[in-house]
Amino acid sequence: DQQVKQNSPSLSVQEGRISILNCDYTNSMFDYFLWYKKYPAEGPTFLISISSIKDKNEDGRFTVFLNKSAKHLSLHIVPSQPGDSAVYFCISRGSTLGRLYFGRGTQLTVWP
Amino acid sequence: EPEVTQTPSHQVTQMGQEVILHCVPISNHLYFYWYRQILGQKVEFLVSFYNNEISEKSEIFDDQFSVERPDGSNFTLKIRSTKLEDSAMYFCASKGQLNTEAFFGQGTRLTVV
Repeated sequence: DQQVKQNSPSLSVQEGRISILNCDYTNSMFDYFLWYKKYPAEGPTFLISISSIKDKNEDGRFTVFLNKSAKHLSLHIVPSQPGDSAVYFCISRGSTLGRLYFGRGTQLTVWP
Repeated sequence: EPEVTQTPSHQVTQMGQEVILHCVPISNHLYFYWYRQILGQKVEFLVSFYNNEISEKSEIFDDQFSVERPDGSNFTLKIRSTKLEDSAMYFCASKGQLNTEAFFGQGTRLTVV
């Protein structure tokens, strides 16, 4: 089941610079996407979402871009902070009942 | 801030034994989920639960698995006869409305030996 793909298992960025996390999906029926982040020993926590009727959603330092024709989305964090170091999951909501399809996650490390 | 609570944080059990994982969802939430993540693999959907019944389940959720909401506050996942391959981190999640985000617990690490 590779419906949501995060091809970069890790990303290392200097503090203050932009972090760009990428995600691809295969199912054209997906219409809602979410990013969650996860710290060690904690559960995933919601970060930002985007509906397929939009191509961009912004919340503070976090912006998600959606390119439906390419079935691609990305999460931009700017400026990156050391506290942003976590695993970031790209997720699609796959059904009206709320089932979520997770990507494998990208470990972001922001160094000072 | 309200949160989803899972107990225990770590459970070790012998192969073939029954295990029950406990979750207390956020109190006014209506939709409940279990996910699992085997080490090194993706987080996978197991089951969703609404209005006191299973609303959706994955192919992983076979007859060895069951869920219950016994008292209106707890949401449990039971594995009847555990196998080595059931070793994973199990996450419970809940949401208030379908079109809102899910809140996840911190997970229970199940180790089957």
